[in-house]
Amino acid sequence: DAGVIQSPRHEVTEMGQEVTLRCKPISGHNSLFWYRQTMMRGLELLIYFNNNVPIDDSGMPEDRFSAKMPNASFSTLKIQPSEPRDSAVYFCASNLNPKMNTEAFFGQGTRLTVV
Amino acid sequence: DQQVKQNSPSLSVQEGRISILNCDYTNSMFDYFLWYKKYPAEGPTFLISISSIKDKNEDGRFTVFLNKSAKHLSLHIVPSQPGDSAVYFCAASIQGAQKLVFGQGTRLTINP
Repeated sequence: DAGVIQSPRHEVTEMGQEVTLRCKPISGHNSLFWYRQTMMRGLELLIYFNNNVPIDDSGMPEDRFSAKMPNASFSTLKIQPSEPRDSAVYFCASNLNPKMNTEAFFGQGTRLTVV
Repeated sequence: DQQVKQNSPSLSVQEGRISILNCDYTNSMFDYFLWYKKYPAEGPTFLISISSIKDKNEDGRFTVFLNKSAKHLSLHIVPSQPGDSAVYFCAASIQGAQKLVFGQGTRLTINP
C-alpha cells in the first residue's frame, strides 16, 4: 500500500482565496483524521471521520473551515476564505480500528502558506 | 487547554548516550499512550505505545515508562544514534474513543 496520500504537498495562496486540501487514506482503514501542526500547539486534531461520517469537529477553528468525506477513499479539508494565520502544515491520518488501539498512519502533509 | 504537554521544546544528546523525552498529561481518563517520530518534510510515524495496565514497554533501543499516579510518561532511547534526530510527539487517547491528543513535540538532536 502507498500509505496515506495528501495533495498538494505545498500550497501558497493569497488571503481571501479558497484552499482545498485532499487526502486518500489507506485502503480498508475505517477512520480518517485531519490535524494541523503549529509551533505553539503542536499537532491539533481538527476533525475526524468514522466510516465516512464526521464524528467530532470540535477542533475546527472557525466556520471558514469545512471537511468532507464523500467516500471511503477520499476526503477534503476546505478553508474559505483563507487568512495568513491559517498558515501551517496540515496532516491527514487514517486508522484501521482506533477502538482497538491500533496506531494512526500519517500522510506527508500539506504545507499551506497564506500571504 | 493542553491535555498533553511536552515541556521541553528541544533536547541535545551525545551519540551513544541515553535520550530521555518527557510527557505529562492532565486527563486521568487517558489509558493508551503513543510516541511518534517526525522527520522534516515527512508525516509522523508510530514508534512505540503503552497501555495503562502496564508501566513499561520495550522495543529494541526504545522503552516507554508510564507513571499513572504522576500522569507522566517518558521515552528512553539507548544508545542514541544520529538517525534518532527528529521531533518526537507524545499522544494519548481513551480506549474506545478514536482520537489521539498530541503534545507540542520535542526536537531531539543527537550530536556525533
